[in-house]
Amino acid sequence: SALTQPPSLSGAPGQRVTISCTGSSSNIGAGFPVHWYQQLPGTAPKLLIYGDANRPSGVPARFSGSKSGTSASLAISELQAEDEADYYCQSYDSSLSGALYVFGTGTKVTVL
Amino acid sequence: EVQLVQSGAEVRKPGESLRISCKGSGYSFSNYWITWVRQMPGKGLEWMGRIDPSESYINYSPSFQGHVTFSVDKSISTAFLQWNSLRASDTAIYYCARQTTLATYGWVDPWGQGTLVTVSS
Repeated sequence: SALTQPPSLSGAPGQRVTISCTGSSSNIGAGFPVHWYQQLPGTAPKLLIYGDANRPSGVPARFSGSKSGTSASLAISELQAEDEADYYCQSYDSSLSGALYVFGTGTKVTVL
Repeated sequence: EVQLVQSGAEVRKPGESLRISCKGSGYSFSNYWITWVRQMPGKGLEWMGRIDPSESYINYSPSFQGHVTFSVDKSISTAFLQWNSLRASDTAIYYCARQTTLATYGWVDPWGQGTLVTVSS
């Protein structure tokens, strides 16, 4: 089943927001890497963080990822207007009855 | 530049068939799995499955197995997603994305621009 994220978060420009991604012992808790994607309104998703905490070239340093136990987090420090988007986590799932890869339920970040 | 370009929007009636495409360029198409992702209107991302273009190995999500078919044509670096009998609930945007080979259980990047499929009588 899907990884669990808060449906929405908001923050003023310059603030820090943190998005949680809660899984289980068959995915995040088993040590499988977590990846994060950003989907700007009306566009395709884009890779934001890979392998728990790595930023692809071109992704601003204000985006950072971490993982502990059965959860992962995406932090956006110094929130900017262009960060208003939907954010999704993703991981591999080893349970035989489900999909090989699962996405999070998604979090809409609003910049006040 | 590595790029995935998908076919255009489609409108079909329930019960009709459809095949949409995803053409890769800027890399060796056979060396990277292609993943398909569904996004229903106003909803989140759902992993549908993936196909290995070189050997045609396929992993389907149980939620989609039996209703969709993945295929590839390596000669034209193109992956396909097909339905034999569409339902209204298939209305969604469908994305293809390339899965990295740099790590096991890896990420997908880049993504195609998406194909909007509308099924309505």
